[in-house]
Amino acid sequence: AQSVTQPDIHITVSEGASLELRCNYSYGATPYLFWYVQSPGQGLQLLLKYFSGDTLVQGIKGFEAEFKRSQSSFNLRKPSVHWSDAAEYFCAVGAGSNYQLIWGAGTKLIIKP
Amino acid sequence: EAGVTQFPSHSVIEKGQTVTLRCDPISGHDNLYWYRRVMGKEIKFLLHFVKESKQDESGMPNNRFLAERTGGTYSTLKVQPAELEDSGVYFCASSRGQGGWLGEQYFGPGTRLTVT
Repeated sequence: AQSVTQPDIHITVSEGASLELRCNYSYGATPYLFWYVQSPGQGLQLLLKYFSGDTLVQGIKGFEAEFKRSQSSFNLRKPSVHWSDAAEYFCAVGAGSNYQLIWGAGTKLIIKP
Repeated sequence: EAGVTQFPSHSVIEKGQTVTLRCDPISGHDNLYWYRRVMGKEIKFLLHFVKESKQDESGMPNNRFLAERTGGTYSTLKVQPAELEDSGVYFCASSRGQGGWLGEQYFGPGTRLTVT
């Protein structure tokens, strides 16, 4: 069965430091992979997605993610975080003919001043 | 362009009562999705409309949940009667008609439902 694992429930990072959020997936075919962010009081916003091609994907707000098939991973990175990046981040894999999204449990990012 | 809107933002009801959640998708989006996140757990797919038709309702937990999308515009999700385990955040998303994974899903802010 398809599944997505985000092993870190919370991550605390100092402002200006680099960030990596982990995501591992289980899916039988070539996955469609997504990262979404939910800021307080807001809806889920798509940060980036991977369908095929270059395994390093650039997204909005300075984020990038790298697809590693051998590790079944799609980790999200940012070189220098800002206080406004404090939010919850969700990794998801696209599955099924009706384009369902299978989600990880989310990682809450806390930024230390 | 207005985003996906959901109403109410919060709802607190007692076990056994009925609640109706509403989602207004982005104008012109044929695809409408409902998802639910139980506290601390992952977001789960509930169902998918294409226009007014239910394309996939495999994620609906049981027959206490009824979703409709009359006229292919807004959608409602009714829970009747509500149980404690129905508490969570209900998200709605919409995407354009060309669908597939090229059709990005735009999400609303969610409705937080608390059943006491």
